[in-house]
Amino acid sequence: SQQGEEDPQALSIQEGENATMNCSYKTSINNLQWYRQNSGRGLVHLILIRSNEREKHSGRLRVTLDTSKKSSSLLITASRAADTASYFCATYWNQGGKLIFGQGTELSVKP
Amino acid sequence: EAGVAQSPRYKIIEKRQSVAFWCNPISGHATLYWYQQILGQGPKLLIQFQNNGVVDDSQLPKDRFSAERLKGVDSTLKIQPAKLEDSAVYLCASSLDTGGPDTQYFGPGTRLTVL
Repeated sequence: SQQGEEDPQALSIQEGENATMNCSYKTSINNLQWYRQNSGRGLVHLILIRSNEREKHSGRLRVTLDTSKKSSSLLITASRAADTASYFCATYWNQGGKLIFGQGTELSVKP
Repeated sequence: EAGVAQSPRYKIIEKRQSVAFWCNPISGHATLYWYQQILGQGPKLLIQFQNNGVVDDSQLPKDRFSAERLKGVDSTLKIQPAKLEDSAVYLCASSLDTGGPDTQYFGPGTRLTVL
């Protein structure tokens, strides 16, 4: 399975601090995506990074991808209480033609 | 633009009963997905449609699960008979592309509890 594995499983920080979540996967990919899921809601797409990209930014989000290490990280800067959610990485590989989700990191941002 | 709609939002049934979920994707989206998300885990793809054809149903338990997408728009997912381990959130998603590596937009999900 090329399912992504995320680290840490849970993270608790204070408002204003940065949060870093990591994702590792096993096989070559076409792209890697990060999603957020608030309690009781569906997933919201945050950012997509392609295999030929190394870094991408979107607002307070910064994603890096290291294909040689088969890993990615999501950095949320200046976190807010509203960032409290579960964050999932998902890998897409052409051979499988589908998105494979990791187990997620549960982020808690305390005001 | 309206998002992906799902109903019902919650369903509680006894084991061995049947249940059906409905999904209306974003208008114009060719690809529709059904995922199962067990508590504490990431979503797992059950079935993927491109228009009204099945692209991937390799992880669909076909002895009890079935899905259809008539006319390439709405879709229904059915479980018959339900087992305790089917308790999960069932997420529907759609994407504009023809199944390639593009953004998927998710609905709010249906939370199923099997007693």
